[in-house]
Amino acid sequence: KQEVTQIPAALSVPEGENLVLNCSFTDSAIYNLQWFRQDPGKGLTSLLLIQSSQREQTSGRLNASLDKSSGRSTLYIAASQPGDSATYLCAVQRASWGKLQFGAGTQVVVTP
Amino acid sequence: EPEVTQTPSHQVTQMGQEVILRCVPISNHLYFYWYRQILGQKVEFLVSFYNNEISEKSEIFDDQFSVERPDGSNFTLKIRSTKLEDSAMYFCASSQTGGQFFGPGTRLTVL
Repeated sequence: KQEVTQIPAALSVPEGENLVLNCSFTDSAIYNLQWFRQDPGKGLTSLLLIQSSQREQTSGRLNASLDKSSGRSTLYIAASQPGDSATYLCAVQRASWGKLQFGAGTQVVVTP
Repeated sequence: EPEVTQTPSHQVTQMGQEVILRCVPISNHLYFYWYRQILGQKVEFLVSFYNNEISEKSEIFDDQFSVERPDGSNFTLKIRSTKLEDSAMYFCASSQTGGQFFGPGTRLTVL
């Protein structure tokens, strides 16, 4: 059974520092891994999608890496800003249009 | 930019009542999903839907739940005889070529 874990559960950094968020999964037979952002009481905003054949994806200040063999993904956010404060979720997908299985998220606070 | 929309944003109901949560997926997407998130817990998969039928459902999705695509744009989740433990945020998502896009959610409160 697939288990998705995110460590740490919470993180507080001063503005300008780089953020490193970790996601691990127990079953390496995944098709996609997707990173989301969730603001309090709001929906999920897709940040990055990494297909299993890829090693990383980049969008602006965000970079996500994927190491399937070790069951890990890392989301890097460069030069953090207060507006980056949110909960970040990772989710894995076993088949191309299959269900997403989510981690519990990392709650990030960026202080000015 | 196209987005998934959901109505209502907040639904309050009495235990035992039926509710229908509505979603309009992104127009050219073919795969549709419902998830829920109980306060303080992980986002959980409920059901996926493709070509007018359920393609996968979780253990949570029992006879109390049903989904329907009544026309070319809407996708609904019906919960019959709601229970207190059904209180949660319900998210609709849609997908075309990989990667799922989520709506803003409906907060369901069962009293």
